[in-house]
Amino acid sequence: NAGVTQTPKFQVLKTGQSMTLQCAQDMNHNSMYWYRQDPGMGLRLIYYSASEGTTDKGEVPNGYNVSRLNKREFSLRLESAAPSQTSVYFCASSYITGELFFGEGSRLTVL
Amino acid sequence: GEDVEQSLFLSVREGDSSVINCTYTDSSSTYLYWYKQEPGAGLQLLTYIFSNMDMKQDQRLTVLLNKKDKHLSLRIADTQTGDSAIYFCAESSGLTGGGNKLTFGTGTQLKVEL
Repeated sequence: NAGVTQTPKFQVLKTGQSMTLQCAQDMNHNSMYWYRQDPGMGLRLIYYSASEGTTDKGEVPNGYNVSRLNKREFSLRLESAAPSQTSVYFCASSYITGELFFGEGSRLTVL
Repeated sequence: GEDVEQSLFLSVREGDSSVINCTYTDSSSTYLYWYKQEPGAGLQLLTYIFSNMDMKQDQRLTVLLNKKDKHLSLRIADTQTGDSAIYFCAESSGLTGGGNKLTFGTGTQLKVEL
């Protein structure tokens, strides 16, 4: 079982460029999440999808969009990257309740 | 809103016990979690405790919950160098439409010295 798989693992962008982070889970989970991790701030929820076909904003959604493509896949898009979006991004999944299972992270640097 | 606080660093000697503390604010949290993050990796669930429990033991790990003071602790017995990592405490709350929102603390960096 792969669990939660994120691509790419590393990315460097210039300010204003766009990119999409991909996430897929093979655990048949209903809910999927995108978090960002910054030093001294823990993890903060960007967007989540409680079930296929729904998406909602988390704590820090500005500058991001998401798509729940199907039950397995949940992508995060940066339309116009800014240096403040330099971070480590984690995708996670869960059943409707219960613990979250995390991917290995995508390290993004915006110059 | 939810808020979770942890101290940033803890240093212990190999073989000693480590105690990592956490305070949280949401008294309606059903579950409280401890996650471990090794360098360059994602978060791994270590253990969790249901809010109506005071204590949970799982091999070298003991979780204590003081619901009145909203205080959670993780004790690692016989700490090994492989336990060096960042430990995150998280409280849970429901999300609009479903899903499980975890609010994380800033993480405690545990360093185990020989």
